[in-house]
Amino acid sequence: AQSVSQHNHHVILSEAASLELGCNYSYGGTVNLFWYVQYPGQHLQLLLKYFSGDPLVKGIKGFEAEFIKSKFSFNLRKPSVQWSDTAEYFCAVTRTGFQKLVFGTGTRLLVSP
Amino acid sequence: GAGVSQSPSNKVTEKGKDVELRCDPISGHTALYWYRQSLGQGLEFLIYFQGNSAPDKSGLPSDRFSAERTGGSVSTLTIQRTQQEDSAVYLCASSLGGQGSVDTIYFGEGSWLTVV
Repeated sequence: AQSVSQHNHHVILSEAASLELGCNYSYGGTVNLFWYVQYPGQHLQLLLKYFSGDPLVKGIKGFEAEFIKSKFSFNLRKPSVQWSDTAEYFCAVTRTGFQKLVFGTGTRLLVSP
Repeated sequence: GAGVSQSPSNKVTEKGKDVELRCDPISGHTALYWYRQSLGQGLEFLIYFQGNSAPDKSGLPSDRFSAERTGGSVSTLTIQRTQQEDSAVYLCASSLGGQGSVDTIYFGEGSWLTVV
């Protein structure tokens, strides 16, 4: 079965630190990849997505992610985090042509001012 | 509508009672999804609708759970004889849809169900 692994369950950073959240998936075929963010008390919002083309994807609020097919990875990065980035981040994958989105268990990020 | 709308936002029910959760997707979105988010867990897929039909309901945890969609719009998730382990946030989402297409999926704010 298709699965998504997020290795970091809780991450604590100081403002201006760099961020990298890991995401690996198990499916070997063509996939579409997403990062969603859930700020405290808010609903899930799309941060960025990869369907095809340039494997380095830029999203909102200075986030980016790189799809490395050989490593089955789609890690999320941000060079300098802000206190407002405190949230839970979810990686998600779907097989191309299919609608079912499979999520990782999420990473809770706390940025201290 | 402007976004995915869910009701109720919070529901406390007694064990053994039935509950209905409603989802109103973004206007024009043909695909609709239900997910469940339990405390400390990720998002668990429940069911997917394309129009009024459900090509994938593999995530429904038991026969106490059912969902329907009418008019290609509003969907209702029904949980019969609720159990304490059903306590979770039930998230609805929608996308433009279309067989074989992949779109961005937009989520509602969820219905927080507590079974006491």
